[in-house]
Amino acid sequence: AQKVTQAQTEISVVEKEDVTLDCVYETRDTTYYLFWYKQPPSGELVFLIRRNSFDEQNEISGRYSWNFQKSTSSFNFTITASQVVDSAVYFCALSEVNTGFQKLVFGTGTRLLVSP
Amino acid sequence: DTAVSQTPKYLVTQMGNDKSIKCEQNLGHDTMYWYKQDSKKFLKIMFSYNNKELIINETVPNRFSPKSPDKAHLNLHINSLELGDSAVYFCASSQGTTFSTDTQYFGPGTRLTVL
Repeated sequence: AQKVTQAQTEISVVEKEDVTLDCVYETRDTTYYLFWYKQPPSGELVFLIRRNSFDEQNEISGRYSWNFQKSTSSFNFTITASQVVDSAVYFCALSEVNTGFQKLVFGTGTRLLVSP
Repeated sequence: DTAVSQTPKYLVTQMGNDKSIKCEQNLGHDTMYWYKQDSKKFLKIMFSYNNKELIINETVPNRFSPKSPDKAHLNLHINSLELGDSAVYFCASSQGTTFSTDTQYFGPGTRLTVL
């Protein structure tokens, strides 16, 4: 069965610090997709990134960057120069194709608290 | 314009009642989903519909009955509500072509509290 582990339950940092959120996954599929979602205190789930298993290039979007390493089955997320508005629960997820259609398997989330 | 919308945002009800949550997407997607987020923030899929047909049913109690009148709508009806049904329910949608992995976009969630 597919599984996503986010070992860090909660991380607290002070504004402007860099922080890395870890994500380790397990899958038997050779083709799969990984996602990160953000859930701010207001409760909605916001899509951040999608990465397929064939693309191991790191990706940077503003202060956000993602490091995908197939050799260690990890898809880590780094926020550079964190801000209070980054405070949220972050979820890593893995796609699982069931009878031809996709479902997401989520990790348990990492709560990030950024204090001023 | 809201891409995936849900109503109501909050729902407080007594045990044993029947309630419905509505979901609509204006993204033109073919596939819609219901997820449940428990008190520990764990997210798990419940159902998925593609073009109004049920394609995923994750052993959810049959008190939960999804209904998709058209591919832009997926409603969730819950009979005989129990305390354990208290959670946040998220609707999502994706393009949903076969054997592809599309990004799922989520609605704002409905917080259900059963007293």
